[in-house]
Amino acid sequence: AQKITQTQPGMFVQEKEAVTLDCTYDTSDPSYGLFWYKQPSSGEMIFLIYQGSYDQQNATEGRYSLNFQKARKSANLVISASQLGDSAMYFCAMREVNRDDKIIFGKGTRLHILP
Amino acid sequence: SQTIHQWPATLVQPVGSPLSLECTVEGTSNPNLYWYRQAAGRGLQLLFYSVGIGQISSEVPQNLSASRPQDRQFILSSKKLLLSDSGFYLCAWSAFPSAATSYYGYTFGSGTRLTVV
Repeated sequence: AQKITQTQPGMFVQEKEAVTLDCTYDTSDPSYGLFWYKQPSSGEMIFLIYQGSYDQQNATEGRYSLNFQKARKSANLVISASQLGDSAMYFCAMREVNRDDKIIFGKGTRLHILP
Repeated sequence: SQTIHQWPATLVQPVGSPLSLECTVEGTSNPNLYWYRQAAGRGLQLLFYSVGIGQISSEVPQNLSASRPQDRQFILSSKKLLLSDSGFYLCAWSAFPSAATSYYGYTFGSGTRLTVV
C-alpha cells in the first residue's frame, strides 16, 4: 500500500500567489516525522520543513508552512508569496522511527510559477 | 560541518558493463547511509540502506548491490548493467536514528545521472 500520496502531479500558479501542495500519509506507528523536499532541475534534494508526529504546532520555515492535520493524516505544504525560483519538483516524505529510520517519498508534485 | 560527496556526476555506460558509484560522508561518525534511485520524472525509490559497516539491507530485488567497506563510505555496484538501470542515483545520510522528535531529515549528495545505452 502506498504510504505517501501526492495527488497533484503538476500545478501552475501565478507569481506572488500562495500555493498549497497536498500530501496524505499512512502509518500505524505513533512516532513518525513528515518532511518536504524541493528538487530543482539540477537534481539536488533540498530540505524545506519538518513536522514531528508529537509536535503540537504546525511547522513554519520562512515562506513555508506545513498544515499538519493528524487525524486526517494530512501534511500539506503551503508556500506563501510564491516566487519564480519556487518552480521545482516537491516531494512529501515520511520517516517511521521504528523502521530503521527509512524515509519514504511520495511521487512528487511539479510546481510551475508563472510570471 | 557534515558534508556528503557523491561521484561521478554523470555516467554513460553500455548495457552489460559494470557499475561502481561511490558516496562518502565527512564530519560525522556511524551515519545511516542510503541509496535511492529516481527514474525520469518519478519519485525516489529506496534501493539499499546501511546502519553500520558491512550491514546492508536491500529494499528492492535487482541486479544492483551495495557495500559499506568503511564507516563513512557507501558503494553501489552492478556486474552487468541493464537499460532499466538508467536513472538518477542519490546517496543520503542520517545521523539520528530512532529519534522521534529529531527534526533532522536526510542530507543528500548531489546525485549521479546514469544513462545505460
